[in-house]
Amino acid sequence: AQSVTQLDSHVSVSEGTPVLLRCNYSSSYSPSLFWYVQHPNKGLQLLLKYTSAATLVKGINGFEAEFKKSETSFHLTKPSAHMSDAAEYFCVVSDPNAGGTSYGKLTFGQGTILTVHP
Amino acid sequence: SAVISQKPSRDICQRGTSLTIQCQVDSQVTMMFWYRQQPGQSLTLIATANQGSEATYESGFVIDKFPISRPNLTFSTLTVSNMSPEDSSIYLCSVGAGGIQYFGAGTRLSVL
Repeated sequence: AQSVTQLDSHVSVSEGTPVLLRCNYSSSYSPSLFWYVQHPNKGLQLLLKYTSAATLVKGINGFEAEFKKSETSFHLTKPSAHMSDAAEYFCVVSDPNAGGTSYGKLTFGQGTILTVHP
Repeated sequence: SAVISQKPSRDICQRGTSLTIQCQVDSQVTMMFWYRQQPGQSLTLIATANQGSEATYESGFVIDKFPISRPNLTFSTLTVSNMSPEDSSIYLCSVGAGGIQYFGAGTRLSVL
């Protein structure tokens, strides 16, 4: 079975300061890992994905995440927060072997709401 | 990538009625998925819809409550039947393309 734990339900930062959103996962196999962002009243947008290539993954809007197998973590970071980064972020694990399809079955974390103060 | 359109974007319904949500994709895709996001919760997969076959439902979801159609490779519908206030949620359509799942903006459903 696979699971995802986002360690913070809310994170608050000041504009221009670093962002760290923490995610730990559990999977029986070699999973794919994703970060999605959901702005208010908008659909989910893919930020980045890890699929067993480079452990440091760069995504859109200056975000990046590092896959650490020994720590079963996939934390999301950004060097400098912008007001437009305020949204809810979801860490997601996909295990093709669990879903029986090439896209696997997505398991979502509970989400982290990021607030950015001026 | 894939662009997904969902209709309606939101609705307010009376208990006991049914609502059909439409999902249109701008390209042909094999895999389509329906998710539910209850208030303050994360997303939960309802079912996987493949063209030409019956949808595969996840544990806790049944066809009588959430019938799904998939008439072609660009379109799917999800019906929420005999609604109760507990069905108030955001329902999202997703498609698989290039190893990634893309999501629509969702349908915000409130049941009174």
